[in-house]
Amino acid sequence: AQSVSQHNHHVILSEAASLELGCNYSYGGTVNLFWYVQYPGQHLQLLLKYFSGDPLVKGIKGFEAEFIKSKFSFNLRKPSVQWSDTAEYFCAVTPLGNNRLAFGKGNQVVVIP
Amino acid sequence: NAGVTQTPKFQVLKTGQSMTLQCAQDMNHNSMYWYRQDPGMGLRLIYYSASEGTTDKGEVPNGYNVSRLNKREFSLRLESAAPSQTSVYFCASSAADSAFYEQYFGPGTRLTVT
Repeated sequence: AQSVSQHNHHVILSEAASLELGCNYSYGGTVNLFWYVQYPGQHLQLLLKYFSGDPLVKGIKGFEAEFIKSKFSFNLRKPSVQWSDTAEYFCAVTPLGNNRLAFGKGNQVVVIP
Repeated sequence: NAGVTQTPKFQVLKTGQSMTLQCAQDMNHNSMYWYRQDPGMGLRLIYYSASEGTTDKGEVPNGYNVSRLNKREFSLRLESAAPSQTSVYFCASSAADSAFYEQYFGPGTRLTVT
């Protein structure tokens, strides 16, 4: 079974700072990769996804992620965060062929105005 | 469109009691999923239904049963609740059981078992 690791569970940073959240997965085959976000009191929603092609993926709200196959990583970045980016961020993986997501433990990000 | 709805939003049970969590989607999706979210654990798949009439176990199915009542509805039942089942439960749906289709999540049910 695949597993997903996210480090630095709690992240606190000031507005305009850059954000990078790490995600590593263990799975021997081809995978699909996702980042989900859960804003306070809201549903989980998809931030971005990677299936194939350009390993640098751009998502909503200025977020991007880079797939590095050799490192089994899919790190999320945003050059300049805003207070409204305060949320919990989850990395998720599915093996090619189905939609049964395996989630990491999440990163709680707090942006201080 | 309401998307994915879940009832109830909150529930407190005593150990040994039973209850059913309801989930419905109005997007004509074929696939539906139940996850639980525990602090510091992320979301874990309990059961899924790839299509109407089929259900399968996920990562953590013990203590739960599911019913895909029709294409719209997918319920999760706790027959004899245990404190270890205290969690937030999320239902999700997608057009098909393929990662090419985005999963849409409901608002969650916060369950406490005392």
